[in-house]
Amino acid sequence: AQTVTQSQPEMSVQEAETVTLSCTYDTSENNYYLFWYKQPPSRQMILVIRQEAYKQQNATENRFSVNFQKAAKSFSLKISDSQLGDTAMYFCAFITTSGTYKYIFGTGTRLKVLA
Amino acid sequence: DAGVIQSPRHEVTEMGQEVTLRCKPISGHDYLFWYRQTMMRGLELLIYFNNNVPIDDSGMPEDRFSAKMPNASFSTLKIQPSEPRDSAVYFCASSWDLVGETQYFGPGTRLLVL
Repeated sequence: AQTVTQSQPEMSVQEAETVTLSCTYDTSENNYYLFWYKQPPSRQMILVIRQEAYKQQNATENRFSVNFQKAAKSFSLKISDSQLGDTAMYFCAFITTSGTYKYIFGTGTRLKVLA
Repeated sequence: DAGVIQSPRHEVTEMGQEVTLRCKPISGHDYLFWYRQTMMRGLELLIYFNNNVPIDDSGMPEDRFSAKMPNASFSTLKIQPSEPRDSAVYFCASSWDLVGETQYFGPGTRLLVL
């Protein structure tokens, strides 16, 4: 079975500092996609960053970057220069390119940015 | 585009009543997804449609749940009869494609069944 694990239920970081959220997944597939979604208190799910498994280069989106380790099945999110608006739940998600085509979401990490 | 639109944003009802949640996907998106989010179970995919056709409803918890997509711009998720354990936030999302494409989520409907 395919699973996504986020082992940090809650984290906090000082404003302007850097924080890394961890995500591991389990699959026997070779081709898949990984995503990080942000859910602020408004509850709207917003895409933060996306990574194709066949790409070795880590995805970057402004202050957000990932450390994708395919062999270790790890997909961590780094937030640099944290801002108060980054306070949210962060979900790691995974979908394969074959089979059931279902998004599998992790249980989320609640991040609080402190002033 | 206004994004994915869901209504109502909040719904409070009594056990046994019928509840209908509505969703308007982003124009041009071929896929529509219904999710349920609870503290206990996290985010669960209930069902998804491709070009208005239900493809996978294996996540629908019980026969009390049903979903329809009569046209490309509208979908409903119905719970009949509703139970307190159905209380959750229900999200609708849409995307151009199934694999690799970003899903755009609506604001969600917070359902409370008393």
